[in-house]
Amino acid sequence: AQSVTQLGSHVSVSEGALVLLRCNYSSSVPPYLFWYVQYPNQGLQLLLKYTTGATLVKGINGFEAEFKKSETSFHLTKPSAHMSDAAEYFCAVSRPGGGSNYKLTFGKGTLLTVNP
Amino acid sequence: EAQVTQNPRYLITVTGKKLTVTCSQNMNHEYMSWYRQDPGLGLRQIYYSMNVEVTDKGDVPEGYKVSRKEKRNFPLILESPSPNQTSLYFCASVKQGSNEQYFGPGTRLTVT
Repeated sequence: AQSVTQLGSHVSVSEGALVLLRCNYSSSVPPYLFWYVQYPNQGLQLLLKYTTGATLVKGINGFEAEFKKSETSFHLTKPSAHMSDAAEYFCAVSRPGGGSNYKLTFGKGTLLTVNP
Repeated sequence: EAQVTQNPRYLITVTGKKLTVTCSQNMNHEYMSWYRQDPGLGLRQIYYSMNVEVTDKGDVPEGYKVSRKEKRNFPLILESPSPNQTSLYFCASVKQGSNEQYFGPGTRLTVT
């Protein structure tokens, strides 16, 4: 079984400060990893994903994440927070391959607040 | 435009009154699924379908039914809704080979 743990249900940063959202996963096979963002009253938008290859993944809106197998982590970072980054962020894991492996297992989410 | 659509977007209903939430995708994806989102719990998969007439349970299937008679449509059926099914529901489809999920806009359901 797979699982995802997001450390910190609520993270607050100042505008211009570093954003660090933590995600650890458990998987019996090499995972595919995802970060999604959900703005208030909206659906889910894919920020970035790791499948294979380069472990540092760049996404939209200046976000990036690094897959660290030894630490079973996939933390999300952004060098400088913007007010528009305020949203809820979800880390998710799936298995490689098709069929039932497409299922996403989500973390419980981290609400990011950006203070002026 | 490639998209997943859901209807209705908002629904308030009463306990026991059957309802259906529709989901449609225009990307010819074979795999579709339903998730529910609850505060503090993230998203959990309800049902999924790997192709027409092929459906299977996810992690929280109790109280739900689905059908897949056409490739583009994957309705979620609540035959006797209860208050604990008050939630935000998302339909998703997957681009084969990429594991990339396309999510619908969500349906906010309230059962009183």
